[in-house]
Amino acid sequence: AQTVTQSQPEMSVQEAETVTLSCTYDTSENNYYLFWYKQPPSRQMILVIRQEAYKQQNATENRFSVNFQKAAKSFSLKISDSQLGDTAMYFCAFMKRNNQGGKLIFGQGTELSVKP
Amino acid sequence: DAGVIQSPRHEVTEMGQEVTLRCKPISGHNSLFWYRQTMMRGLELLIYFNNNVPIDDSGMPEDRFSAKMPNASFSTLKIQPSEPRDSAVYFCASSSYTRTSGRGDEQYFGPGTRLTVT
Repeated sequence: AQTVTQSQPEMSVQEAETVTLSCTYDTSENNYYLFWYKQPPSRQMILVIRQEAYKQQNATENRFSVNFQKAAKSFSLKISDSQLGDTAMYFCAFMKRNNQGGKLIFGQGTELSVKP
Repeated sequence: DAGVIQSPRHEVTEMGQEVTLRCKPISGHNSLFWYRQTMMRGLELLIYFNNNVPIDDSGMPEDRFSAKMPNASFSTLKIQPSEPRDSAVYFCASSSYTRTSGRGDEQYFGPGTRLTVT
């Protein structure tokens, strides 16, 4: 069974600074996807970034980028130029690919506070 | 384009009552997922459908829970009878997975239904 671990329950960062959230996962699969979701106080789940396991290049989306280390089974999220609106719970998620889509397996979440 | 729509947004009910949660996926999406979020267990999949067919219901807690997808634009999650431990936020998500292209893995979530069972 796949598991996802986020070892940092809470983190804080000053506005405009850079912060990195950690995520590790355990799987014997070779074909899978990894995601980061953001959940602000409104509780809406918002997709931040995705990474295909077969791609060596790290995904980037504007101020958000990942460091994907497949051998180490590590998938960290870097937020550059942090903004107050980045304050939220962040979830790392794993999805095994099959021919009918796949379900997300989530980590426990990291609560990020961006301070002015 | 409208996102995933869930109703009601909040539901308060008494133990033993039947509860029905509703979801309308994004138009054109062919996969629909029901997740539950609690403090104790975090976010966990209950069941998902592909082309209206249930694919994985291993997360459904027990016989009190049932889910249906009668057509591509509507799904329900029913709890009967409800218990206080069912109190949680229930999310519906959809995606447009296409096997041939391998695209569409992103799941888009609705705003959730906060269920409180007293």
